[in-house]
Amino acid sequence: DAKTTQPTSMDCAEGRAANLPCNHSTISGNEYVYWYRQIHSQGPQYIIHGLKNNETNEMASLIITEDRKSSTLILPHATLRDTAVYYCIVNPPSGTYKYIFGTGTRLKVLA
Amino acid sequence: GAVVSQHPSWVICKSGTSVKIECRSLDFQATTMFWYRQFPKQSLMLMATSNEGSKATYEQGVEKDKFLINHASLTLSTLTVTSAHPEDSSFYICSAPQGSNEKLFFGSGTQLSVL
Repeated sequence: DAKTTQPTSMDCAEGRAANLPCNHSTISGNEYVYWYRQIHSQGPQYIIHGLKNNETNEMASLIITEDRKSSTLILPHATLRDTAVYYCIVNPPSGTYKYIFGTGTRLKVLA
Repeated sequence: GAVVSQHPSWVICKSGTSVKIECRSLDFQATTMFWYRQFPKQSLMLMATSNEGSKATYEQGVEKDKFLINHASLTLSTLTVTSAHPEDSSFYICSAPQGSNEKLFFGSGTQLSVL
């Protein structure tokens, strides 16, 4: 079973920030939080990952709570091209890459 | 980022035939690759772990004789769907880990339709 739970779907207005939550209350000390997204009929695309500190890159920001039981992916200025299914995954950083995908959040960016 | 190439993008075949899907890591070596299957409006399901130079490891419920995996080099893994049937119609995706913290990079997927 997936170690994460996410809302099934979300809508966001174009140009606004999209905040996608993820619950991972059983995360282990050495497990990272990874975020991927999948645009229709394509392979998943890596977005960002983190252990306990907040992270930011050119695509998004990742906010991890202090107890690491949940996190939020932030797309600061959502565009129509950000419409996709977003997956939050927890996994050790090396040795075992059995990414177990949950149902993800279907984000729809509205014009 | 790293590039994983998957071929073909789509394939249509008759029931009973076999189909081979290739997954290549273009700019890095991958001793391990992963194969997933995805049905419409569902999440990705891990099928098997492909290991270079040794046998693949299959997830529970995945028939190893049905889904043959070969990882003959550090940059190529193949998945062969043998004696395909309509219920094997699905989106098949491969992936490989690379880099620090070894993020997974995914191929673009193969849509298999068995008539």
